Amino acid sequence: DADVTQTPRNRITKTGKRIMLECSQTKGHDRMYWYRQDPGLGLRLIYYSFDVKDINKGEISDGYSVSRQAQAKFSLSLESAIPNQTALYFCAIQRRANSPLHFGNGTRLTVT
Amino acid sequence: AQSVTQPDIHITVSEGASLELRCNYSYGATPYLFWYVQSPGQGLQLLLKYFSGDTLVQGIKGFEAEFKRSQSSFNLRKPSVHWSDAAEYFCAVVVPDNTDKLIFGTGTRLQVFP
Repeated sequence: DADVTQTPRNRITKTGKRIMLECSQTKGHDRMYWYRQDPGLGLRLIYYSFDVKDINKGEISDGYSVSRQAQAKFSLSLESAIPNQTALYFCAIQRRANSPLHFGNGTRLTVT
Repeated sequence: AQSVTQPDIHITVSEGASLELRCNYSYGATPYLFWYVQSPGQGLQLLLKYFSGDTLVQGIKGFEAEFKRSQSSFNLRKPSVHWSDAAEYFCAVVVPDNTDKLIFGTGTRLQVFP
């Protein structure tokens, strides 16, 4: 099993729809992250969580929300999707501060 | 603003040629430094990291990187590129403040010709 699993792998949705991207991990790490990747912009941090009761905004949190349902699960929601949220979304986990991040394989989201 | 810069958006090399990908950061203190690689359709994989000590660090797949404090750089190198090295490469830094966030550069796409 993969350490970090993201579902779905691909999603097409319409403007205004609510959508949830899910991330689960099997490593037991406390730290989890959501990034989005856009061509030419690299990866930008949306939200991050250092434990179940800790949620923090990243660089580009507007239009997104997250839920840390358990240590192993960290979901990203778009309450009302818009076309400029079309991107590749990555979940990542981290064992402790400054240790390497382990990434999922990404969710490709298209908002029409 | 604190930032990570990868000045080369796209690099093309011939198989067997040497490679250097550039990365510069703008922080007062020495950050923790990383290089990640992303193959098509995949997530990012760690190539190597620098925290302290020897400024030349070895990574996986034959890659190495050198930290140069005077130039605020952490360039990635490989003596002889293989076709399978074609991918996108990201430099990333963590400034050891109370946020510990990982900030990525915009990436360099490497194309390898036979």
